[in-house]
Amino acid sequence: AQKITQTQPGMFVQEKEAVTLDCTYDTSDQSYGLFWYKQPSSGEMIFLIYQGSYDEQNATEGRYSLNFQKARKSANLVISASQLGDSAMYFCAMREGNRDSNYQLIWGAGTKLIIKP
Amino acid sequence: KAGVTQTPRYLIKTRGQQVTLSCSPISGHRSVSWYQQTPGQGLQFLFEYFSETQRNKGNFPGRFSGRQFSNSRSEMNVSTLELGDSALYLCASSSRQRETGVNEQFFGPGTRLTVL
Repeated sequence: AQKITQTQPGMFVQEKEAVTLDCTYDTSDQSYGLFWYKQPSSGEMIFLIYQGSYDEQNATEGRYSLNFQKARKSANLVISASQLGDSAMYFCAMREGNRDSNYQLIWGAGTKLIIKP
Repeated sequence: KAGVTQTPRYLIKTRGQQVTLSCSPISGHRSVSWYQQTPGQGLQFLFEYFSETQRNKGNFPGRFSGRQFSNSRSEMNVSTLELGDSALYLCASSSRQRETGVNEQFFGPGTRLTVL
C-alpha cells in the first residue's frame, strides 16, 4: 500500500490565486513528521514546510501553510497568492519514528504545479 | 554557509561499468542520505550515513553501496550498471535544528546518470 498519496498529478492555477496540494499518508506510528518539498526544473529539492505529528497547530512558513488533519491522515499544502516562480513539482514526504531515530523519508509521487500568468 | 554539493552533475556510462558519485554535506552536518529519482519509480531512499556508519538502508540490490568519510563527505558506488539505473541521484545532509527539533534535510543539485 502507498504510504504517501498525492492524488493530483498536475494542476494549473491562475497567478495570485491560492492553491491547495493534496497529500494523504498511511502510518501506524504515533510519532512521525510530514514534509513538503519543491523541485524546480533545475532538479534541486527545496524544503518548504514541516509538520510533526504531535504539533497542535498547523505549520506556516510565509506563503506556505500546512492543513494538517490527523484523524483523516491528511497534510495538504496551501500556497497563498501564487506566483509564477511557484511553478514546479511538489512532493509530500513522511518520516516515521521519532526525531532522533534513523532518518529516512518516504515520498509521494508529486504534483506538477503550473502557474498561469 | 555553502550548500550541499554533488559531483559530477552529469554522467554518461555504458552497461556493465561502475560509477562513483560524491556528495559534500553542509559544514557541521553529520548525516548524509542518498535518494534515487526516476520517472517510473519516483523518489526512493537508498541509504543514510551518520558518523561514517550506515544507519539505514533502502530496498536496493547490493550493486548499490556507499560510504562516509571522517569529514562527513559521502560517496555512493553503483557497480555493473544497468539501463534502469539511469536516474537523478540526490544527496541530502541534515542536522537537527535546535530551535524546532526538526531534522530538516538539505538537498544538493543531484547527479544525473545516464546508462547507455
